[in-house]
Amino acid sequence: QKEVEQNSGPLSVPEGAIASLNCTYSDRGSQSFFWYRQYSGKSPELIMSIYSNGDKEDGRFTAQLNKASQYVSLLIRDSQPSDSATYLCAVRNTGGFKTIFGAGTRLFVKA
Amino acid sequence: EAGVTQFPSHSVIEKGQTVTLRCDPISGHDNLYWYRRVMGKEIKFLLHFVKESKQDESGMPNNRFLAERTGGTYSTLKVQPAELEDSGVYFCASSQDARTGELFFGEGSRLTVL
Repeated sequence: QKEVEQNSGPLSVPEGAIASLNCTYSDRGSQSFFWYRQYSGKSPELIMSIYSNGDKEDGRFTAQLNKASQYVSLLIRDSQPSDSATYLCAVRNTGGFKTIFGAGTRLFVKA
Repeated sequence: EAGVTQFPSHSVIEKGQTVTLRCDPISGHDNLYWYRRVMGKEIKFLLHFVKESKQDESGMPNNRFLAERTGGTYSTLKVQPAELEDSGVYFCASSQDARTGELFFGEGSRLTVL
């Protein structure tokens, strides 16, 4: 079992729709969770961090965390073609400073 | 404010040669990390510096890899001798506060070993 699992996609949504990206993790003690966006050939860019159960909203992005289910999600409302990228779920390991990344989900937003 | 910068952006070497990658973190960031992405795989942790000290080097694949951060500013990652499986993109990231876990990445150095 991978430490952080994501559906590789591609996930295709029409412009203006809600894109839903999901992630599960294996380390039950993890306390810090992140979503990074990576455009092709570019560096990963942090878009959301979440540390407690529930929802966290930032503009068109909402991160959701359920530690009991070991599940993290990212919702992108009013999706735009510029949101087309690979979205990386990342989890901080228990008791350390190592961040474990999922393989990423490719998102395509069709105009 | 300048972001994390990495050099070179792309290096092509032959098996058995040596390559040194350099990373300049964001000014004032004591924490510096090296990650690697091999084709088709997820980004993998290599090591973490706090200033000039290695906090965690559990991800370093073998002793052909040597990372240094003399003076606690920029860092180098040397691969000697390079093998075919070392090909990939090497990312450097920095953070001001390691407790938050929020990383700022450089553009990466793509290494191709022939």
